[in-house]
Amino acid sequence: DTGVSQNPRHKITKRGQNVTFRCDPISEHNRLYWYRQTLGQGPEFLTYFQNEAQLEKSRLLSDRFSAERPKGSFSTLEIQRTEQGDSAMYLCASSLGGGTGFYEQYFGPGTRLTVT
Amino acid sequence: GDSVTQMEGPVTLSEEAFLTINCTYTATGYPSLFWYVQYPGEGLQLLLKATKADDKGSNKGFEATYRKETTSFHLEKGSVQVSDSAVYFCALSASGGSYIPTFGRGTSLIVHP
Repeated sequence: DTGVSQNPRHKITKRGQNVTFRCDPISEHNRLYWYRQTLGQGPEFLTYFQNEAQLEKSRLLSDRFSAERPKGSFSTLEIQRTEQGDSAMYLCASSLGGGTGFYEQYFGPGTRLTVT
Repeated sequence: GDSVTQMEGPVTLSEEAFLTINCTYTATGYPSLFWYVQYPGEGLQLLLKATKADDKGSNKGFEATYRKETTSFHLEKGSVQVSDSAVYFCALSASGGSYIPTFGRGTSLIVHP
């Protein structure tokens, strides 16, 4: 078990460019979550998947953001036409899941995006 | 909507001092409450949780008690170590469903030898 991994760890892009981040969850975990964390704030939920189905999306997830988990394993988060306000740490987490029980989320190290 | 307020940091303590980090919440119904910790250079990890009123969560010498009457979930540790230096996040989630947490802003703890 190597934990949740995220790539790249750092991304610098110019305003207006598209960026894509990847998250590889813990292998047996069927749930995968994306969060955004800006400086001095706690993480804010963006979206989550159970297997390949995207079950919930936050209002923070504007039309420029899209997330996929095509085979229920890794996930990608794409931001189109980046804006300076998109600069943040993007966190991925995974967990087991099903029903209404509590399942601990395991977080990756994050991808830090800087939009210049 | 649901929200969490925690004391601003940084909190700076000497080793073996007593730690309290205050956390209060606003929520409808009866949320579950959590403390997460983020050590330097590492991912966020769950430290402890409590799912109903008067429950006490504990882990690694840290404790927090779910106080419904004061809507609080203060984090305490009797004797901190340098290795406890980290950012601590209080969080809540609606019980049942996906347990997606709403986080506070985080409190940085710095422990000096």
